[in-house]
Amino acid sequence: DAGVTQSPTHLIKTRGQQVTLRCSPKSGHDTVSWYQQALGQGPQFIFQYYEEEERQRGNFPDRFSGHQFPNYSSELNVNALLLGDSALYLCASSQTGGKYEQYFGPGTRLTVT
Amino acid sequence: DAKTTQPNSMESNEEEPVHLPCNHSTISGTDYIHWYRQLPSQGPEYVIHGLTSNVNNRMASLAIAEDRKSSTLILHRATLRDAAVYYCILRDVDNYGQNFVFGPGTRLSVLP
Repeated sequence: DAGVTQSPTHLIKTRGQQVTLRCSPKSGHDTVSWYQQALGQGPQFIFQYYEEEERQRGNFPDRFSGHQFPNYSSELNVNALLLGDSALYLCASSQTGGKYEQYFGPGTRLTVT
Repeated sequence: DAKTTQPNSMESNEEEPVHLPCNHSTISGTDYIHWYRQLPSQGPEYVIHGLTSNVNNRMASLAIAEDRKSSTLILHRATLRDAAVYYCILRDVDNYGQNFVFGPGTRLSVLP
């Protein structure tokens, strides 16, 4: 079992650009959550997808959007990038309803210049 | 969301037990206590969770106070690989869609 995988590992973008990050959940998992982790801080919840719909959203602007595909994989899109969007973006997957533990991927390090 | 408070940092010697405290005085009856840890350059990983009774697994033990207002994660013999940031998180067991709310956690240093 490959666990949760994310791509790319690192990414450098310029202010104003758009970025798409990808996540494949652990086998058997159907729920995907996205988190943003700034340097030296704990992860902050962005949103969660279940059955291809956004089920819950944290305090992030509409520039952050996502999608879940029928195979449960997911994408995080960020438009009009700001310098403050530089962070580690983590994807976590869990089984139906996410009742218990979440399994995190290694993250995508996004740098906005 | 019910909040937790943890010390910013702790230090331990290798092969000695480590007790990581967490206070959660506003915990509700349906809140599970979860512990995750984040090793350098990795995503967080699940350590243990519990509701009322003490819990043991291959990684650690979780001791929960009788009033549930505090808990302690116990690493029985710290190794260098246990150096990480440890997060104590509360999550409502009845709210399947509830996300995990991470605080700053406790940074554990393990000295050889």
